[in-house]
Amino acid sequence: DIQLTQSPSFLSASVGDRVTITCRASQGVRSYLGWYQQKPGKAPKLLIYTVSTLESGVPSRFSGSGSGTEFTLTISSLQPEDFATYYCQQISSYPATFGQGTKVEIK
Amino acid sequence: QVPLQESGPGLVKPSQTLSLTCTVSGGSISSGAYYWSWIRQHPGKGLEWIGYIYSNGNTYYKPSLKSRVTIALDTSKNQFSLKLSSVTAADTAVYYCARDPVGAKPTDYWGQGTLVTVSA
Repeated sequence: DIQLTQSPSFLSASVGDRVTITCRASQGVRSYLGWYQQKPGKAPKLLIYTVSTLESGVPSRFSGSGSGTEFTLTISSLQPEDFATYYCQQISSYPATFGQGTKVEIK
Repeated sequence: QVPLQESGPGLVKPSQTLSLTCTVSGGSISSGAYYWSWIRQHPGKGLEWIGYIYSNGNTYYKPSLKSRVTIALDTSKNQFSLKLSSVTAADTAVYYCARDPVGAKPTDYWGQGTLVTVSA
């Protein structure tokens, strides 16, 4: 299985901050890398797929980049509704796998 | 309207079989446009992909769960199901059904999730 390691696991930030989360894969995942946002008690919500494609309805402050084995999710200006846990996922090789998550909390 | 909805017992005894159903609305599971997946999340933990089924009945299961997992389609009811046998407390989790578009896009819609507790 392809292992995905996110960093940091926990992030404390303020409204308006620029936030970057990294996802490193144990082997190349081509462009089959996506990002999800999950709030407590809710199902994950797709934000970005194929590294940098914004899902319909997702604010443009979210962006993704990277290639090969290293990818990033950036929130350009953190909003109150963005405090949540974020997961990366690869579907380059099955079984699909997720990162362990990054919890973004209010400073 | 949420197009996916899980249903099934919230409590299962150890060594028994966990059985969940996902009802799909707003489209046919036979359309060929999606894979139909199950994903779980242990309490306070991350996400674990379990497996998927395609409209032609082809399945793929996570190897570490393969001996215990069965995913099946019921096209007459527009549903798909998950069976996980010989459960233990380690199978206690929120179980999500989900749809994965055919192609490069990952899971784009999830059910609301259902908590299944394994306990005597």
